[in-house]
Amino acid sequence: GAVVSQHPSWVICKSGTSVKIECRSLDFQATTMFWYRQFPKQSLMLMATSNEGSKATYEQGVEKDKFLINHASLTLSTLTVTSAHPEDSSFYICSARPVRGSYRWTEAFFGQGTRLTVV
Amino acid sequence: DQQVKQNSPSLSVQEGRISILNCDYTNSMFDYFLWYKKYPAEGPTFLISISSIKDKNEDGRFTVFLNKSAKHLSLHIVPSQPGDSAVYFCAAGRSGNTPLVFGKGTRLSVIA
Repeated sequence: GAVVSQHPSWVICKSGTSVKIECRSLDFQATTMFWYRQFPKQSLMLMATSNEGSKATYEQGVEKDKFLINHASLTLSTLTVTSAHPEDSSFYICSARPVRGSYRWTEAFFGQGTRLTVV
Repeated sequence: DQQVKQNSPSLSVQEGRISILNCDYTNSMFDYFLWYKKYPAEGPTFLISISSIKDKNEDGRFTVFLNKSAKHLSLHIVPSQPGDSAVYFCAAGRSGNTPLVFGKGTRLSVIA
């Protein structure tokens, strides 16, 4: 149990276009999902916290107009990279925590990640 | 301010020997700690966790030790296998819907 599916696994897009990444919790509900970004040989950097039914909370230095987050349901959050540029190329990972008190609620479960390459 | 620190970026161990990965933290409010394993181009996968009220948790070849007074935890893998070669992230969390705080990771290479 506790599976998180992230789609797509990899995407190549042209500079200036937008890319949407989906994150789904398949067998549990998550009121909160998290979006991370990983640069080569570096740790996971939290970008934003996505709350179901409300606005996302962005970390300092993350442009909210560039990285649009929507958490429309308890099982789906999306990250849209708008007007992507080569410097946005990175590995993006979503994470979800089951609602408090439910199965394995103290853990975070991760999607398989999305490799974005902007050319 | 880095709340979770993994000071060794890499570690090489011979197959069959013990691997010891270390992690230090600064925030005494953390309720639990986790270790994640990550292969290239994949999301992290959960390995083992420990609550702040315990000092040891064991699962097969993996054991996590917690020293609260020193704000230090370690992951022991014994015996180490080539398939254990990956990046290991230490993470700390608090109750509620808060994000985990990750260390920078330690790349473990198990040499056959």
